[in-house]
Amino acid sequence: ETGVTQTPRHLVMGMTNKKSLKCEQHLGHNAMYWYKQSAKKPLELMFVYSLEERVENNSVPSRFSPECPNSSHLFLHLHTLQPEDSALYLCASSQRVAGGYEQYFGPGTRLTVT
Amino acid sequence: GQNIDQPTEMTATEGAIVQINCTYQTSGFNGLFWYQQHAGEAPTFLSYNVLDGLEEKGRFSSFLSRSKGYSYLLLKELQMKDSASYLCAVRDSNYQLIWGAGTKLIIKP
Repeated sequence: ETGVTQTPRHLVMGMTNKKSLKCEQHLGHNAMYWYKQSAKKPLELMFVYSLEERVENNSVPSRFSPECPNSSHLFLHLHTLQPEDSALYLCASSQRVAGGYEQYFGPGTRLTVT
Repeated sequence: GQNIDQPTEMTATEGAIVQINCTYQTSGFNGLFWYQQHAGEAPTFLSYNVLDGLEEKGRFSSFLSRSKGYSYLLLKELQMKDSASYLCAVRDSNYQLIWGAGTKLIIKP
């Protein structure tokens, strides 16, 4: 148990659907992250939230919309996705954004866009 | 641009020692992390280096040379459960983590 949970674990959606990914951390951390992991590619940082404020948005298409209602919960709202968006979406948290604080990852949501 | 290089795949024998290298070119440096990721699972933290030298933690050690932009992860007394991908990540001057594509380590009996 890593202290970071993600739901759902698997998701298949059509290009016209709207869905949301949920992440919850039980570690008392102040920073949360969304990553995209595609096969044989480096982890791609999508969004960073520190104390519920978005501090990083790495040129992610607007079809991905994050939401951080409090320091324990993070959502990724998905709409009109493309097949190339199929990937593993990982949520992570850390005590702080800066410094040597390691990130704790959730198990990920395996997303398939058809 | 920023870049992290590590070998795509390595093979080693159970009980042996393996060294996984990582070289980086980043905008500034604020620490280097190693993570382990088993197939189908989340990455888990292994080590953190911010100063030059060797950090030892049980069977795993990590080395850093900032002047050379180089790190390695050393795994001793390899076990079958060490079969996994090993990810190198560098925190740049903006405190953003830049990730390598990972090294898939295959352990053979």
